[in-house]
Amino acid sequence: DAGVIQSPRHEVTEMGQEVTLRCKPISGHNSLFWYRQTMMRGLELLIYFNNNVPIDDSGMPEDRFSAKMPNASFSTLKIQPSEPRDSAVYFCASRGANTEAFFGQGTRLTVV
Amino acid sequence: SQQGEEDPQALSIQEGENATMNCSYKTSINNLQWYRQNSGRGLVHLILIRSNEREKHSGRLRVTLDTSKKSSSLLITASRAADTASYFCATLGSGGGADGLTFGKGTHLIIQP
Repeated sequence: DAGVIQSPRHEVTEMGQEVTLRCKPISGHNSLFWYRQTMMRGLELLIYFNNNVPIDDSGMPEDRFSAKMPNASFSTLKIQPSEPRDSAVYFCASRGANTEAFFGQGTRLTVV
Repeated sequence: SQQGEEDPQALSIQEGENATMNCSYKTSINNLQWYRQNSGRGLVHLILIRSNEREKHSGRLRVTLDTSKKSSSLLITASRAADTASYFCATLGSGGGADGLTFGKGTHLIIQP
């Protein structure tokens, strides 16, 4: 298995634009997590899914953020409209039942 | 969801010395996990200890768990320069349902050559 795959690896966009981050979890994993990491806030859990269903989105900072998991092999995190303070590294992770989480390489987002 | 909090926030030691990092959490858990992050990369799982275990070893890593104190420690023996990284703990709740893995701010470990 290639592990958790995130795309793009880097994204630079102008303030106000829509940004879509993508994640392909490891096959067979039933939980998927989206995290945001910054120097100030550390690693924040934004939302997680279990069996494609959003379980807890209390970490999503604002209504500008939305996440979907249309099937077991794909998830998106969308920011619309984007703002400079959204600049961060966004990680996706997946895990099976009672196992460790496997992280993707992250998407470094810069909003100018 | 659970949250682990690591301490110290930063640790700098000489190569060859042992490094100890601690983690505290708040509620009952199913297991506790330690992760490592090299700069600019995703977290990598190091070791998992279940709530009914008290100690676990993996190579130069030794993890302890004290559920009465809701704390865990990660010991890296005979440290190497390549161990320089940030280390995080995360807990999985004992509720049996789907729990989010939440992380603290981590311990930034620097190994001086």
